[in-house]
Amino acid sequence: EVQLLESGGGLVQPGGSLRLSCAASGLTFNNYAMSWVRQAPGKGPEWVSAIGTTGSGTYYADSVKGRFTISRDNSKNTLYLEMSSLRAEDTAMYYCAKRYCSTSTCYGAFDSWGQGTLVTVSS
Amino acid sequence: EIVLTQSPATLSLSPGERATLSCRASQSVSSSLAWYQQKPGQPPRLLIYDASNRATGIPARFSGSGSGTDFTLVISSLEPEDFAAYYCQQRTDSMYSFGQGTKLEIK
Repeated sequence: EVQLLESGGGLVQPGGSLRLSCAASGLTFNNYAMSWVRQAPGKGPEWVSAIGTTGSGTYYADSVKGRFTISRDNSKNTLYLEMSSLRAEDTAMYYCAKRYCSTSTCYGAFDSWGQGTLVTVSS
Repeated sequence: EIVLTQSPATLSLSPGERATLSCRASQSVSSSLAWYQQKPGQPPRLLIYDASNRATGIPARFSGSGSGTDFTLVISSLEPEDFAAYYCQQRTDSMYSFGQGTKLEIK
């Protein structure tokens, strides 16, 4: 069974930084592209960033480009999100999510999610 | 950025009724569209991928259709556990976006 466990959330002041981690188990981690998705209280999910299997391809939503950095350590089965210049509007639950792949094809959907880590940006 | 617009925002139905949820993309996403169910305090759960394929373990009462810009999720006969929020999501050029959601509530 795939398990994704996020950590690193907390209360941070505007302009501050935070590093989120997502520890993966129950899968061959380096076979799957991964993403971070956030959800503000009472709102729908918002895709934040994605990274390819080797870490060479990284992609960002316009709302976080230049402030957030996604990375992965396949030797540790761990995904990261480095967040800087944080704003109040970054307040959300942050989920890591695994891209769905069948035996032959990968699809543009997320079939495994963690329980999330809460980031609150406030003075 | 591709914008997904879901309708209606809220759908009030009774158990046993048929639910039809819509998702429209601002430009073609081919068939790269997924549907999720989300209950309070839980992460989203994948229901449908590639517009019309049910994910593992998803009951047959859930079906998806569409391609290009117009997509539909149908729940053929609502069970009590189906009342939740539903989101569509697309992937194009390694970028993703979600719709704003449809809340399915008990009438």
